[in-house]
Amino acid sequence: DTGVSQDPRHKITKRGQNVTFRCDPISEHNRLYWYRQTLGQGPEFLTYFQNEAQLEKSRLLSDRFSAERPKGSFSTLEIQRTEQGDSAMYLCASSPNDSEAFFGQGTRLTVV
Amino acid sequence: GESVGLHLPTLSVQEGDNSIINCAYSNSASDYFIWYKQESGKGPQFIIDIRSNMDKRQGQRVTVLLNKTVKHLSLQIAATQPGDSAVYFCAENPSGDMRFGAGTRLTVKP
Repeated sequence: DTGVSQDPRHKITKRGQNVTFRCDPISEHNRLYWYRQTLGQGPEFLTYFQNEAQLEKSRLLSDRFSAERPKGSFSTLEIQRTEQGDSAMYLCASSPNDSEAFFGQGTRLTVV
Repeated sequence: GESVGLHLPTLSVQEGDNSIINCAYSNSASDYFIWYKQESGKGPQFIIDIRSNMDKRQGQRVTVLLNKTVKHLSLQIAATQPGDSAVYFCAENPSGDMRFGAGTRLTVKP
């Protein structure tokens, strides 16, 4: 296992389309986090999972966003009816409970 | 509201000098802090962490200082190298979700 893996690395989509991103955490890390990062800003927390349970969601996560971690391993983040303001880097991280999180390389979303 | 922030958005140092990056936090319940380094086009990379029962922690060329009285965190990088050029973020983890500040861009001049 070489770390947190995210797919795709880049996604260009037309406004109004749905997109889904995947994150594979480090094996046996039971916490998984999703963040969004725009240029010049720090990562903004979106949501996190403890195993398959989604424990917290940011108010940034509108009802167009949904995240799942069905078996407590990989996770998906779906954005419905994308808007130009959704253009950002979407970062996934995992950690073994309350300790440092390891980030993936991110998925860069561009909504045109 | 609660927030994590940085004093300076940019820092430029000469190669070989020491760098100090500062961070202020406002959540008094925070008990765990992390410094991350982010290079262009990459995800944040863990550097060092510290828990609130400590005032100082050292790693390889890096030291983190925590002053709980004034809610201040700093990252010291010794003998800064060109490869240290990146954006540095502090993050606090009071309840399981990490909150990041806006970051400080460190530029190392040869």
